[in-house]
Amino acid sequence: TQLLEQSPQFLSIQEGENLTVYCNSSSVFSSLQWYRQEPGEGPVLLVTVVTGGEVKKLKRLTFQFGDARKDSSLHITAAQPGDTGLYLCAAEPDSNYQLIWGAGTKLIIKP
Amino acid sequence: EAGVTQSPTHLIKTRGQQATLRCSPISGHTSVYWYQQALGLGLQFLLWYDEGEERNRGNFPPRFSGRQFPNYSSELNVNALELEDSALYLCASSDRDSASPLHFGNGTRLTVT
Repeated sequence: TQLLEQSPQFLSIQEGENLTVYCNSSSVFSSLQWYRQEPGEGPVLLVTVVTGGEVKKLKRLTFQFGDARKDSSLHITAAQPGDTGLYLCAAEPDSNYQLIWGAGTKLIIKP
Repeated sequence: EAGVTQSPTHLIKTRGQQATLRCSPISGHTSVYWYQQALGLGLQFLLWYDEGEERNRGNFPPRFSGRQFPNYSSELNVNALELEDSALYLCASSDRDSASPLHFGNGTRLTVT
């Protein structure tokens, strides 16, 4: 069974701080996606990474795909209250099309 | 472009009843996915439909079923509701028969009392 483990499960920090959340697996994936879900809404795609070692930036968010394509990290610089939400990673195995989902990191940024 | 729409937004049922949830995908998308999300946590895959056919099914009992119509909209039916079925049910669509990227609706909040 392929699993995606996200850590931490919950993070509450002050506005302006930096943070990193992780998405780890023992399996190799062809691609990995990060989504953010705000209360009362569905998840929204932030980024897709496909190449080992790939780094993508989205304003203050930096996403990295591990060299072996088994893990990923999301780093937020100078977090803002608008970054509050549930961050979900989802990965596509090489062998089929079905996405595997992590359990999510619930992030709260306090003003 | 209209996004994925789900109805109703909230649904309250009693144990043993049946619930029907509806989803309209983004125009041009042929694949529809259903997920269950409990307690604001991760997503549990329920069903995947593409071109009117069920392509894959998650680890849920047979009382969870659905269908996809010729216009690619979809229904999720849950029979013999149990208290633990209370959750947010999310529908997503994609423009090909791969799992990515997914465009989600805002979900139907099902409460079973």
